[in-house]
Amino acid sequence: KQEVTQIPAALSVPEGENLVLNCSFTDSAIYNLQWFRQDPGKGLTSLLLIQSSQREQTSGRLNASLDKSSGRSTLYIAASQPGDSATYLCAVRVSNYQLIWGAGTKLIIKP
Amino acid sequence: DADVTQTPRNRITKTGKRIMLECSQTKGHDRMYWYRQDPGLGLRLIYYSFDVKDINKGEISDGYSVSRQAQAKFSLSLESAIPNQTALYFCATSDSKGARTTDTQYFGPGTRLTVL
Repeated sequence: KQEVTQIPAALSVPEGENLVLNCSFTDSAIYNLQWFRQDPGKGLTSLLLIQSSQREQTSGRLNASLDKSSGRSTLYIAASQPGDSATYLCAVRVSNYQLIWGAGTKLIIKP
Repeated sequence: DADVTQTPRNRITKTGKRIMLECSQTKGHDRMYWYRQDPGLGLRLIYYSFDVKDINKGEISDGYSVSRQAQAKFSLSLESAIPNQTALYFCATSDSKGARTTDTQYFGPGTRLTVL
């Protein structure tokens, strides 16, 4: 059974720092891995999607990597800003309908 | 206007009451989903629908039912609410024309349900 883990559960860093969020999964049979951002009262927004055949994806200050063989993904945020404060969720797609989710990392960027 | 809307946004109810959560979308997607989110846990799938006549149970469907009234509308009902159904509920949509490796789901803002 696929399990997704995100560590740490919470992270607080000063503005301007680069940071890395981690996601691990137990079964490498995935179609893709996605990173979402969750803001209170606003739902979830997809940030980056990495196909199973890809190693990384970049969007602006965000870079996500995928190592299927080790069951790991990282989300790198460069030059963090207070507006990056949110909960970041990773999810792996295991079928034509099912996503398996991590519990998330709550990120606080201190001005 | 938001592409995926949920009503109500917040609801407090009592044990044993019947509750309906509604979801509407303007994205033109054929697939719709209901998830619940609990503190410290990932989102869990309750029900999903591939079209109006195709509704399927997810991993935690006990105590819930759904209705797909139209392609754009998908409702979740709690027939007799209990306190452990207190959670944040999300509706999501996706397009079946998307490839499995590349398509994503689009989420509503969530409904916070409290069962006393």
